[in-house]
Amino acid sequence: QVQLVESGGGVVQPGRSLRLSCTASGFTFSSYGMHWVRQAPGKGLEWVAAISFVGSNRYYADSVKGRFTISRDTSKNTLYLQMNTLRPEDTAVYYCAKEGKAYCSGDCYSFDYWGQGTLVTVSS
Amino acid sequence: QLVLTQSPSASASLGASVKLTCTLSSGHSTYEIAWHQQQPEKGPRYLMKFNSDGSHSKGDGIPDRFSGSSSGAERYLTISSLQSEDEADYYCQTWVTGNVVFGGGTKLTVL
Repeated sequence: QVQLVESGGGVVQPGRSLRLSCTASGFTFSSYGMHWVRQAPGKGLEWVAAISFVGSNRYYADSVKGRFTISRDTSKNTLYLQMNTLRPEDTAVYYCAKEGKAYCSGDCYSFDYWGQGTLVTVSS
Repeated sequence: QLVLTQSPSASASLGASVKLTCTLSSGHSTYEIAWHQQQPEKGPRYLMKFNSDGSHSKGDGIPDRFSGSSSGAERYLTISSLQSEDEADYYCQTWVTGNVVFGGGTKLTVL
Protein backbone atom coordinates (compact mmCIF):
# COMPACT_ATOMS: atom_id res chain seq x y z
CA GLN A 1 0.00 0.00 0.00
CA VAL A 2 1.07 3.59 -0.56
CA GLN A 3 2.97 5.13 2.32
CA LEU A 4 4.44 8.58 2.70
CA VAL A 5 6.53 9.18 5.82
CA GLU A 6 7.81 12.66 6.63
CA SER A 7 10.75 13.37 8.90
CA GLY A 8 13.15 16.14 9.77
CA GLY A 9 10.88 18.50 11.67
CA GLY A 10 11.86 20.14 14.93
CA VAL A 11 12.44 23.42 16.71
CA VAL A 12 14.67 25.92 14.92
CA GLN A 13 15.58 29.56 15.50
CA PRO A 14 14.45 32.27 13.08
CA GLY A 15 16.87 32.71 10.21
CA ARG A 16 18.16 29.15 10.42
CA SER A 17 17.66 26.24 8.01
CA LEU A 18 16.00 22.84 8.11
CA ARG A 19 15.57 20.02 5.61
CA LEU A 20 12.48 17.85 5.56
CA SER A 21 12.31 14.41 3.97
CA CYS A 22 9.40 12.31 2.75
CA THR A 23 10.11 8.65 2.11
CA ALA A 24 7.69 7.01 -0.31
CA SER A 25 6.77 3.36 -0.77
CA GLY A 26 4.06 1.24 -2.37
CA PHE A 27 4.11 2.98 -5.76
CA THR A 28 6.52 3.91 -8.55
CA PHE A 29 7.89 7.13 -7.09
CA SER A 30 9.52 8.27 -10.32
CA SER A 31 6.16 8.31 -12.13
CA TYR A 32 4.36 10.87 -9.96
CA GLY A 33 4.61 14.53 -9.19
CA MET A 34 4.90 15.34 -5.49
CA HIS A 35 3.96 18.29 -3.31
CA TRP A 36 4.50 19.81 0.12
CA VAL A 37 1.52 21.29 1.97
CA ARG A 38 1.61 22.90 5.41
CA GLN A 39 -0.86 23.64 8.16
CA ALA A 40 -0.18 26.28 10.80
CA PRO A 41 -1.57 25.54 14.28
CA GLY A 42 -5.35 25.80 14.22
CA LYS A 43 -5.39 26.91 10.58
CA GLY A 44 -6.27 25.40 7.21
CA LEU A 45 -4.14 23.79 4.55
CA GLU A 46 -1.64 25.87 2.56
CA TRP A 47 0.14 24.59 -0.51
CA VAL A 48 3.92 25.11 -0.36
CA ALA A 49 5.68 23.56 -3.36
CA ALA A 50 5.45 21.05 -6.19
CA ILE A 51 7.90 19.04 -8.25
CA SER A 52 7.11 17.19 -11.46
CA PHE A 53 7.63 13.46 -11.86
CA VAL A 54 10.89 13.98 -13.75
CA GLY A 55 11.98 16.69 -11.36
CA SER A 56 12.48 19.32 -14.03
CA ASN A 57 9.51 21.54 -13.11
CA ARG A 58 9.31 23.07 -9.66
CA TYR A 59 6.74 25.54 -8.36
CA TYR A 60 6.44 27.47 -5.12
CA ALA A 61 3.92 29.47 -3.17
CA ASP A 62 4.79 33.17 -3.05
CA SER A 63 5.20 32.92 0.73
CA VAL A 64 8.21 30.61 0.40
CA LYS A 65 9.65 31.50 -3.01
CA GLY A 66 13.38 32.18 -2.82
CA ARG A 67 13.69 30.57 0.63
CA PHE A 68 12.49 26.98 0.13
CA THR A 69 13.69 24.40 -2.42
CA ILE A 70 11.86 21.21 -3.34
CA SER A 71 13.81 18.27 -4.74
CA ARG A 72 13.59 14.53 -5.17
CA ASP A 73 15.96 11.55 -5.23
CA THR A 74 14.45 8.74 -7.26
CA SER A 75 17.15 6.28 -6.19
CA LYS A 76 16.05 6.76 -2.57
CA ASN A 77 12.32 7.20 -3.24
CA THR A 78 12.56 10.40 -1.23
CA LEU A 79 11.16 13.90 -1.56
CA TYR A 80 12.90 16.82 0.15
CA LEU A 81 12.11 20.35 1.24
CA GLN A 82 15.10 22.54 2.03
CA MET A 83 13.89 25.45 4.13
CA ASN A 84 16.23 28.43 4.55
CA THR A 85 15.87 31.75 6.33
CA LEU A 86 13.01 30.37 8.41
CA ARG A 87 10.48 32.74 9.93
CA PRO A 88 8.08 32.29 12.85
CA GLU A 89 5.20 32.26 10.35
CA ASP A 90 6.67 29.09 8.82
CA THR A 91 5.67 27.23 11.98
CA ALA A 92 3.37 24.44 10.83
CA VAL A 93 2.89 20.74 10.29
CA TYR A 94 4.36 19.93 6.89
CA TYR A 95 2.75 17.19 4.81
CA CYS A 96 3.96 15.59 1.62
CA ALA A 97 1.31 14.57 -0.89
CA LYS A 98 1.28 12.44 -4.02
CA GLU A 99 -0.44 13.40 -7.25
CA GLY A 100 -3.13 11.01 -8.40
CA LYS A 101 -2.14 10.83 -12.05
CA ALA A 102 1.12 9.39 -13.34
CA TYR A 103 3.34 11.10 -15.89
CA CYS A 104 1.44 14.34 -15.62
CA SER A 105 3.06 17.60 -16.59
CA GLY A 106 1.02 20.29 -14.93
CA ASP A 107 -2.67 20.85 -14.28
CA CYS A 108 -3.24 17.50 -12.55
CA TYR A 109 -2.53 18.27 -8.94
CA SER A 110 -5.29 16.24 -7.32
CA PHE A 111 -3.66 14.52 -4.35
CA ASP A 112 -4.61 10.92 -3.66
CA TYR A 113 -2.29 10.17 -0.73
CA TRP A 114 -0.91 12.23 2.14
CA GLY A 115 1.72 11.61 4.77
CA GLN A 116 1.12 11.98 8.50
CA GLY A 117 3.09 15.22 8.71
CA THR A 118 6.12 16.55 10.57
CA LEU A 119 6.01 19.59 12.85
CA VAL A 120 8.33 22.53 12.29
CA THR A 121 8.48 25.18 15.01
CA VAL A 122 10.39 28.38 14.33
CA SER A 123 11.04 30.16 17.58
CA SER A 124 13.85 31.83 19.46
CA GLN B 1 -8.03 35.03 -8.87
CA LEU B 2 -8.71 31.36 -8.21
CA VAL B 3 -10.47 31.03 -4.86
CA LEU B 4 -12.51 28.28 -3.18
CA THR B 5 -15.11 29.28 -0.62
CA GLN B 6 -16.43 26.95 2.07
CA SER B 7 -18.72 27.55 5.03
CA PRO B 8 -16.64 27.42 8.24
CA SER B 9 -18.94 24.99 10.02
CA ALA B 10 -21.77 22.53 9.59
CA SER B 11 -23.59 20.13 11.87
CA ALA B 12 -25.97 17.23 11.55
CA SER B 13 -27.26 14.41 13.70
CA LEU B 14 -25.91 10.89 13.91
CA GLY B 15 -27.48 8.81 11.12
CA ALA B 16 -28.63 11.85 9.15
CA SER B 17 -27.19 13.32 5.95
CA VAL B 18 -25.26 16.52 5.37
CA LYS B 19 -24.28 18.40 2.20
CA LEU B 20 -21.10 20.47 2.25
CA THR B 21 -20.53 23.15 -0.38
CA CYS B 22 -17.41 24.41 -2.10
CA THR B 23 -17.80 27.39 -4.44
CA LEU B 24 -15.35 28.22 -7.22
CA SER B 25 -14.59 31.86 -7.89
CA SER B 26 -16.00 33.72 -10.86
CA GLY B 27 -14.54 32.60 -14.16
CA HIS B 28 -13.45 29.26 -12.76
CA SER B 29 -16.75 27.38 -12.66
CA THR B 30 -15.52 24.48 -14.82
CA TYR B 31 -12.44 23.68 -12.76
CA GLU B 32 -11.90 20.23 -11.31
CA ILE B 33 -11.76 19.90 -7.56
CA ALA B 34 -10.92 17.27 -4.95
CA TRP B 35 -12.31 16.73 -1.45
CA HIS B 36 -10.16 15.79 1.53
CA GLN B 37 -11.10 14.83 5.07
CA GLN B 38 -9.00 15.62 8.13
CA GLN B 39 -10.00 13.94 11.34
CA PRO B 40 -8.77 15.48 14.60
CA GLU B 41 -5.02 15.20 15.11
CA LYS B 42 -4.56 13.32 11.83
CA GLY B 43 -3.21 14.07 8.38
CA PRO B 44 -5.61 14.73 5.51
CA ARG B 45 -7.21 11.86 3.62
CA TYR B 46 -8.30 12.01 0.00
CA LEU B 47 -12.02 11.41 -0.49
CA MET B 48 -12.82 12.05 -4.16
CA LYS B 49 -12.09 14.07 -7.25
CA PHE B 50 -14.57 15.84 -9.51
CA ASN B 51 -13.62 15.71 -13.16
CA SER B 52 -14.49 18.33 -15.76
CA ASP B 53 -16.87 15.91 -17.51
CA GLY B 54 -19.00 15.65 -14.37
CA SER B 55 -17.70 12.25 -13.35
CA HIS B 56 -15.92 11.66 -10.09
CA SER B 57 -13.51 9.11 -8.67
CA LYS B 58 -13.11 8.09 -5.04
CA GLY B 59 -10.09 7.29 -2.98
CA ASP B 60 -9.25 3.81 -1.78
CA GLY B 61 -11.66 2.51 0.83
CA ILE B 62 -13.98 5.51 0.80
CA PRO B 63 -17.46 4.19 1.63
CA ASP B 64 -20.50 4.73 -0.55
CA ARG B 65 -21.90 7.04 2.13
CA PHE B 66 -19.69 9.73 0.61
CA SER B 67 -20.91 11.11 -2.70
CA GLY B 68 -20.38 14.17 -4.82
CA SER B 69 -22.34 16.42 -7.13
CA SER B 70 -22.09 19.82 -8.73
CA SER B 71 -24.16 22.71 -10.02
CA GLY B 72 -22.51 25.57 -11.88
CA ALA B 73 -19.62 26.83 -9.78
CA GLU B 74 -20.68 24.84 -6.73
CA ARG B 75 -19.30 21.45 -5.80
CA TYR B 76 -20.99 19.38 -3.15
CA LEU B 77 -19.92 16.62 -0.82
CA THR B 78 -22.82 14.67 0.65
CA ILE B 79 -22.29 12.34 3.57
CA SER B 80 -25.20 10.07 4.38
CA SER B 81 -25.83 7.89 7.43
CA LEU B 82 -23.51 10.09 9.46
CA GLN B 83 -21.23 8.30 11.88
CA SER B 84 -19.24 9.71 14.76
CA GLU B 85 -15.97 9.24 12.86
CA ASP B 86 -17.25 11.60 10.15
CA GLU B 87 -16.71 14.48 12.57
CA ALA B 88 -13.77 16.18 10.89
CA ASP B 89 -12.60 19.11 8.81
CA TYR B 90 -13.38 18.87 5.11
CA TYR B 91 -11.29 20.73 2.55
CA CYS B 92 -11.85 21.23 -1.15
CA GLN B 93 -8.85 21.68 -3.42
CA THR B 94 -8.32 22.92 -6.95
CA TRP B 95 -5.32 23.66 -9.11
CA VAL B 96 -3.76 25.17 -12.18
CA THR B 97 -0.26 24.54 -13.45
CA GLY B 98 2.09 25.88 -10.83
CA ASN B 99 -0.46 26.54 -8.12
CA VAL B 100 -2.74 24.67 -5.74
CA VAL B 101 -5.60 26.30 -3.87
CA PHE B 102 -7.48 25.00 -0.85
CA GLY B 103 -10.77 26.18 0.53
CA GLY B 104 -10.78 27.37 4.12
CA GLY B 105 -12.33 24.11 5.27
CA THR B 106 -15.65 23.17 6.86
CA LYS B 107 -15.68 21.80 10.38
CA LEU B 108 -18.39 19.15 10.55
CA THR B 109 -19.91 18.37 13.92
CA VAL B 110 -21.93 15.18 14.33
CA LEU B 111 -24.56 15.75 17.00
